[in-house]
Amino acid sequence: SQQGEEDPQALSIQEGENATMNCSYKTSINNLQWYRQNSGRGLVHLILIRSNEREKHSGRLRVTLDTSKKSSSLLITASRAADTASYFCAHRNTGGFKTIFGAGTRLFVKA
Amino acid sequence: DGGITQSPKYLFRKEGQNVTLSCEQNLNHDAMYWYRQDPGQGLRLIYYSQIVNDFQKGDIAEGYSVSREKKESFPLTVTSAQKNPTAFYLCASSGQTGEDGYTFGSGTRLTVV
Repeated sequence: SQQGEEDPQALSIQEGENATMNCSYKTSINNLQWYRQNSGRGLVHLILIRSNEREKHSGRLRVTLDTSKKSSSLLITASRAADTASYFCAHRNTGGFKTIFGAGTRLFVKA
Repeated sequence: DGGITQSPKYLFRKEGQNVTLSCEQNLNHDAMYWYRQDPGQGLRLIYYSQIVNDFQKGDIAEGYSVSREKKESFPLTVTSAQKNPTAFYLCASSGQTGEDGYTFGSGTRLTVV
């Protein structure tokens, strides 16, 4: 399967703590994207990191990409109860058109 | 506001019926996609279209059909041949290459009764 794998499947933390989610993939990629999904809603695009980038920031989000290990991580700093959602990584293989989504990490932030 | 609209939000289908899910976007995006999401799972690609009047099968196209007669619209029909259609269906759109990420609709939850 080309599907990416995410780790952990579920994460429960206290408000104010940092949350780290990891994603691995199997082939060469053009870019890797992270999305957020609130329960029963569509996905919202958070951040895209290209294969020639190693780190990217957006507000409280920090994404890293290690193409040698075929892995990425999403760090949410100073988490809030409103960050409770599922987070998906998605990648596009080099030369491919389709974006492939992982199974997601369910994050629960306790107030 | 630019966006992508899916309707209806909830849909109930009887055994043997065909149903059509609507997806409309006003983002001037060339490419549109349909995904299926089952509980606790990731997204699986059903069909995609890179340009008007053209579409391609995704990974789980059996039992589904689509059309792309207008740039703004990409309806999905769930046919009676789809044996397990109960799922959450998500429509998305992107620029022609899809390189800059997707915009998703809010989804349609289909239940077989």
